[in-house]
Amino acid sequence: NAGVMQNPRHLVRRRGQEARLRCSPMKGHSHVYWYRQLPEEGLKFMVYLQKENIIDESGMPKERFSAEFPKEGPSILRIQQVVRGDSAAYFCASSPPGGGTYNEQFFGPGTRLTVL
Amino acid sequence: EDQVTQSPEALRLQEGESSSLNCSYTVSGLRGLFWYRQDPGKGPEFLFTLYSAGEEKEKERLKATLTKKESFLHITAPKPEDSATYLCAVQAGGTYKYIFGTGTRLKVLA
Repeated sequence: NAGVMQNPRHLVRRRGQEARLRCSPMKGHSHVYWYRQLPEEGLKFMVYLQKENIIDESGMPKERFSAEFPKEGPSILRIQQVVRGDSAAYFCASSPPGGGTYNEQFFGPGTRLTVL
Repeated sequence: EDQVTQSPEALRLQEGESSSLNCSYTVSGLRGLFWYRQDPGKGPEFLFTLYSAGEEKEKERLKATLTKKESFLHITAPKPEDSATYLCAVQAGGTYKYIFGTGTRLKVLA
């Protein structure tokens, strides 16, 4: 049973370009979460999605960031017009149906974004 | 404001030297407290979930306990392969997100 998959593992972008990060949840999981981790800081919640729905995006910057989880295919975290401050590790987690509460979240290996 | 504080920030132990990591939290209506292990360059690996004060969970050399204000991760007779960053997270009532602490970096020396 494959775990949470993220790609690419490493992504380099120049300032002003777009970054697209992909996340495929564990088999049977329908809830996806995105977190950002800066060096020496804890993971910060960004957004929680179910298939075709954004449930909670309270941790996501209002501008340049968007997320989706379509009916088919992986969840996408999109960062437009990247700036150096966007450099971080972005982690995706998934949990099984039944709600995001009382369920453990299982994390992927992360995408390390570097903005030059 | 919901908050999680972990201590110490870093800990060096000799192989076999038992110790405890602390996770203090303030949250409105705790739904669950979670412990993860994170190795460099990897995603967090799930260890334990604790739901109510007095609850304890064990796995190999690790034991997690929970009170109304804090959780401890006890490491008994650690080995070098236990070296990692240990993360604590809480889930507050009415929310789905986890709030993470900054972790304890554990180094076990052979």
